Amino acid sequence: DIQLTQSPSFLSASVGDRITITCRASQGISNDLAWYQQKPGKAPKLMIYAASALHSGVPSRFSGSGSGTEFTLTISGLQPEDFATYYCQQLNSYLALTFGGGTKVEIK
Amino acid sequence: QVHLVQSGTEVKKPGASVKVSCKVSGYSLTELSLHWVRQAPEKGLEWMGGFDREDDKTIYAQSLQGRVTMTEDSSTDTAYLEVSSLRSEDAAVYYCATLGVVGAALDFWGQGTLVTVSS
Repeated sequence: DIQLTQSPSFLSASVGDRITITCRASQGISNDLAWYQQKPGKAPKLMIYAASALHSGVPSRFSGSGSGTEFTLTISGLQPEDFATYYCQQLNSYLALTFGGGTKVEIK
Repeated sequence: QVHLVQSGTEVKKPGASVKVSCKVSGYSLTELSLHWVRQAPEKGLEWMGGFDREDDKTIYAQSLQGRVTMTEDSSTDTAYLEVSSLRSEDAAVYYCATLGVVGAALDFWGQGTLVTVSS
């Protein structure tokens, strides 16, 4: 199975900050990567698919980039509602759609 | 817009089976590729498997193969996940989600079903 390693696993930031989360794949996955946001007690929400395409309704302060084995999720101008846990997922190997371990973004 | 509504909380004993349902509206189930994801308490997301509509087959995560069965009832647009021989580590919130309605990802999610495993 393709392994995804997210870093950092925990991030403390302030409202208005620009933050970047990295997701590294154990082998090349083209741009077959998605990012999800999850708040406590809620289902995950799709934010970005195909590495950089914004899902409908997602604010433009969210952006994704990368291809191959290294990907980033950037939030430019962190808002109070953005404090959550973020997961990456690869969709290149259909036999195992693995998730990264998650990055928890907390208020400093 | 796809809407997914899952069945309610389940409490099961070790060794028992559990069957979780996921009712689809807004689309016909036969137009969708329905997947299942679970999340143990305070843990990350684990993909369990899903239906490959193009190849007309169900794919299961290797770690769960043999204990998990995913089925569909197209007459009621309802998908089912059954987990057998439950262990304490199967205690989790189970989610259904659609793959690729809008984009190449799990784009619409059910609200989750809590499964507790306790003797």
